[in-house]
This record gives sequence, structure tokens and C-alpha cells, in this order.
Amino acid sequence: NAGVTQTPKFQVLKTGQSMTLQCAQDMNHEYMSWYRQDPGMGLRLIHYSVGAGITDQGEVPNGYNVSRSTTEDFPLRLLSAAPSQTSVYFCASSYLLAGDSYEQYFGPGTRLTVT
Amino acid sequence: AQRVTQPEKLLSVFKGAPVELKCNYSYSGSPELFWYVQYSRQRLQLLLRHISRESIKGFTADLNKGETSFHLKKPFAQEEDSAMYYCALNVGAGGTSYGKLTFGQGTILTVHP
Repeated sequence: NAGVTQTPKFQVLKTGQSMTLQCAQDMNHEYMSWYRQDPGMGLRLIHYSVGAGITDQGEVPNGYNVSRSTTEDFPLRLLSAAPSQTSVYFCASSYLLAGDSYEQYFGPGTRLTVT
Repeated sequence: AQRVTQPEKLLSVFKGAPVELKCNYSYSGSPELFWYVQYSRQRLQLLLRHISRESIKGFTADLNKGETSFHLKKPFAQEEDSAMYYCALNVGAGGTSYGKLTFGQGTILTVHP
């Protein structure tokens, strides 16, 4: 199993450009999430999905779009990049353990710089 | 709303010394708490969860509902413990949390030789 994979690893964008961060998992997990990691702020949830065709907003959704057409893929789209979106982005997938507990698996991250 | 606070951004200890990484949470319901670790150039990974009450790599953490704390402890720190540590809270009983985690700000632990 490759687990959770993310591409690209690094990206530099100019303000106003758009792009898609890719995330895929091969563990057949229902639940997938996107987080951003910023110094002093920990990880914050951007969007999440509870299954194909179902997505919802997290704590910091503005400026980002997601879709979930398959169980495996959960791309994150930046509509018009801004310097405030400079961050490290992590995708995670999770499955339900016994007793309503979840185990999350994280991807390696994408480091995005917006100039 | 739920919140997780890790009061120490940086923590330095010497090898063999005890270490305690603090975590406090704010949540009125029944929480599920985790510690995640990120070693240099590696992805974030689960270290331990409170419901399993296990010791991983010598680390333990006890949920104290009275003090709303979930501090991570190790009696004898090792150099390979140097990493970023995140405390995280999962809320929503009955499977409604969908694995959405609220993270603390993180603590960078450095263990000196």
C-alpha cells in the first residue's frame, strides 16, 4: 500500500494563479480531510469528505474548493492564490475503528509558496 | 467550540532527563484525545490515543477530565525523540466526528546529547 500520497511536494505560485493539490489514498478509507499547517497555529481543517460525492467545510475553507468523485481521490483547488495561502498542506484519510474512534493517516505534505 | 492549547512552543531537555509536553483542552462533552508526532522530513503520525491507554516509545499520556489535560510524559528522553508534537482532539460521539481533528499549536521538543 502506498497509503496517502500527495502531489506536488513543492509549488510556487504567483498571486491570482489557480492550481490543484492532488491527494490519493489506496486504503479504501471513507473519510478524507485537508489541513494546512502554519507556524504557531498547528494544523487547521480546510475541508473534509465523508464519502464519494459528499464534502463539507472545515475551520478555514475560504479560497479553497474540493470535490470527491471517487473514494480514492480528494483534490484541493486554490481558486485565486493569495500570499496568505502560503503554507504546508496535508491530506489525511481515516476509517472508523470500534467504539467510534478514528485513526487518521497523513500524506507527506505539499509546501506551497505564493508570491 | 472545542480548543486545544499547548502552552510551550519549544521544549529543550538533555538526554536521560524526564520530559513532559503539556496539553489542555476545552470541550464540554466526552473527548477523544491523541498525540501526533512529526519527525524531521517525515509525515505526521499517530503516537498514542487516550482510549488505548498504551505506552508507545516510552511515552504515556493520561486524560485528566478534572483538569481538562492530556499531558505527554516520558521518564528518560532520547535524542531520537526530538520532533514536533501535536495534541489533537476528536469530538462528536456516535461516529459523527468523521475523524475531524482539532490540533494544538504544537511543541518542538529538542533532546540534547
